[in-house]
Amino acid sequence: DGGITQSPKYLFRKEGQNVTLSCEQNLNHDAMYWYRQDPGQGLRLIYYSQIVNDFQKGDIAEGYSVSREKKESFPLTVTSAQKNPTAFYLCASSMEGGGNQPQHFGDGTRLSIL
Amino acid sequence: GQQVMQIPQYQHVQEGEDFTTYCNSSTTLSNIQWYKQRPGGHPVFLIQLVKSGEVKKQKRLTFQFGEAKKNSSLHITATQTTDVGTYFCAATPSWGGSNYKLTFGKGTLLTVNP
Repeated sequence: DGGITQSPKYLFRKEGQNVTLSCEQNLNHDAMYWYRQDPGQGLRLIYYSQIVNDFQKGDIAEGYSVSREKKESFPLTVTSAQKNPTAFYLCASSMEGGGNQPQHFGDGTRLSIL
Repeated sequence: GQQVMQIPQYQHVQEGEDFTTYCNSSTTLSNIQWYKQRPGGHPVFLIQLVKSGEVKKQKRLTFQFGEAKKNSSLHITATQTTDVGTYFCAATPSWGGSNYKLTFGKGTLLTVNP
């Protein structure tokens, strides 16, 4: 089945630690996205990538980093500079970038501070 | 950045009652998408509206795009317990071109009393 796989489902971060969230898709989509969801806040865009080896900052990129070395993969690193990382992180993909394509979401990763 | 306002934030109904959520923007939109997120789940694409005044139906769900392409609504007739979840609108501004991204509203959480 085609889809988006996020791992792990739950992740705990210690003070000063960087953690990496995995996102893999086998939909052959060009564009991939990372969102952060907090209660009552909707989805806020962290980073997006419209094509391999290229990515742009979203609305809340500070304290996060990404890479897009392969079409299928778009890992997100939450660095120690992100002081409030506790949230639900969602990865999504679309056939093309540009905002006029449906986005397909993974099951998400819940990140908490130890 | 672009703002997409969604109201109400919460709505509780008795099973069988109707439900409507509204999405408003101060700028003209290129398109608007609607997503549903079940409790504990991830957003799932429902529909995209592109044309001024467009109305689309999916069984008991009716989606409308305003004549000025600045607002949209989702109406559910005779709600069922399976309709429970958060409904998000997401939009792209008309001036964005192909490089622009979706902006999500904060969502409306619908609960249904059986």
